[in-house]
Amino acid sequence: GAVVSQHPSWVICKSGTSVKIECRSLDFQATTMFWYRQFPKQSLMLMATSNEGSKATYEQGVEKDKFLINHASLTLSTLTVTSAHPEDSSFYICSASPGTGDHEQYFGPGTRLTVT
Amino acid sequence: AQSVTQLGSHVSVSEGALVLLRCNYSSSVPPYLFWYVQYPNQGLQLLLKYTSAATLVKGINGFEAEFKKSETSFHLTKPSAHMSDAAEYFCAVSEGGTASKLTFGTGTRLQVTL
Repeated sequence: GAVVSQHPSWVICKSGTSVKIECRSLDFQATTMFWYRQFPKQSLMLMATSNEGSKATYEQGVEKDKFLINHASLTLSTLTVTSAHPEDSSFYICSASPGTGDHEQYFGPGTRLTVT
Repeated sequence: AQSVTQLGSHVSVSEGALVLLRCNYSSSVPPYLFWYVQYPNQGLQLLLKYTSAATLVKGINGFEAEFKKSETSFHLTKPSAHMSDAAEYFCAVSEGGTASKLTFGTGTRLQVTL
């Protein structure tokens, strides 16, 4: 149980275009989802926290107009990178929490974005 | 504010040797602590977690960690390393709440040699 999927697993796009990444909790309802960014050989940096039906809470330094997060249902959250630039190239990982009090987050397999 | 320090960005052990990955934390409230493993180009898999129950926590794949409040540590150990243990390991801290934020350490890459 507690499986989280991400789609696509990798994507290449041209500079100036937008890319949408989906994060789904497959066998549980996720009251909260998190989006992380990971640069090569570095740790995960939290970008934003989203609760179903509410606006996402962005971490300091993360441009909310560039990284649009939608948590439309208890099993789906999307991250849209708008007007992508090469510096947005990174590994994006989502996680989902059922909010059951065990403080655990279940992580997706990640999406590698390359902007050319 | 919560933080995690992982000493040693790279650890190399021989197959069959003891694995010790160090993690120290800082938290203003009793923390929840986690160890995750990441294989190349994959997401994170939970190895084990401490949530204020037993201080010695056993996880998957033979790993365990001991919460030591006096030392603010949560070191990860495995008695005998296997080649399949080679991966990146992250320690993380949460200050509670039903879905509170995780703060990750910088990670330790474990290399296992023959």
